[in-house]
Amino acid sequence: GAVVSQHPSWVICKSGTSVKIECRSLDFQATTMFWYRQFPKQSLMLMATSNEGSKATYEQGVEKDKFLINHASLTLSTLTVTSAHPEDSSFYICSARDPGTARSGNTIYFGEGSWLTVV
Amino acid sequence: GQQLNQSPQSMFIQEGEDVSMNCTSSSIFNTWLWYKQDPGEGPVLLIALYKAGELTSNGRLTAQFGITRKDSFLNISASIPSDVGIYFCAGEMIKAAGNKLTFGGGTRVLVKP
Repeated sequence: GAVVSQHPSWVICKSGTSVKIECRSLDFQATTMFWYRQFPKQSLMLMATSNEGSKATYEQGVEKDKFLINHASLTLSTLTVTSAHPEDSSFYICSARDPGTARSGNTIYFGEGSWLTVV
Repeated sequence: GQQLNQSPQSMFIQEGEDVSMNCTSSSIFNTWLWYKQDPGEGPVLLIALYKAGELTSNGRLTAQFGITRKDSFLNISASIPSDVGIYFCAGEMIKAAGNKLTFGGGTRVLVKP
């Protein structure tokens, strides 16, 4: 199946600093990528939809100035957590839409996730 | 955001048993997807369903897209220890503002002690 890769897998940063997480589609071009946050033992919570070449669409309650999303190419989207605080510590997951072919429908594949710990 | 109703929330399995879980919604979806998530990792796609009534298998997994387009089920036959994990259903609606997935709450599959 298609592969979506996230980097880094885990990161520890100091409170007040910013940290960037990358999401890459490795074998398809993704016009749309999604960023999720997941708390322990809970389902995925959509933060924003990232469209190549345009501004991201944020879900209600998600601060766009805090969670900066850039989708500069068809294979790369980045999430930057600015001025991170301990409450931002979480598991962040991206996904990318594979448009598929005329035979198969489009499908969404997920990255491996990135653990962020803010100390 | 909106969630699908996924049940059961958790279940214990014994090796060799069949497992069933389902998702229902008050909304109609155009696509149903089933994912498995292991601890500390991202969800892995198991089965994608695109048409109402579609029944699709992937090894020991079988999933169906409900006729009403408001529900889907996933069956695992002859379970093995590596089937342990969290299974999520996800539905996708086509909207003018762009598609996005709505997730179920997850079904946690555990091994009977």
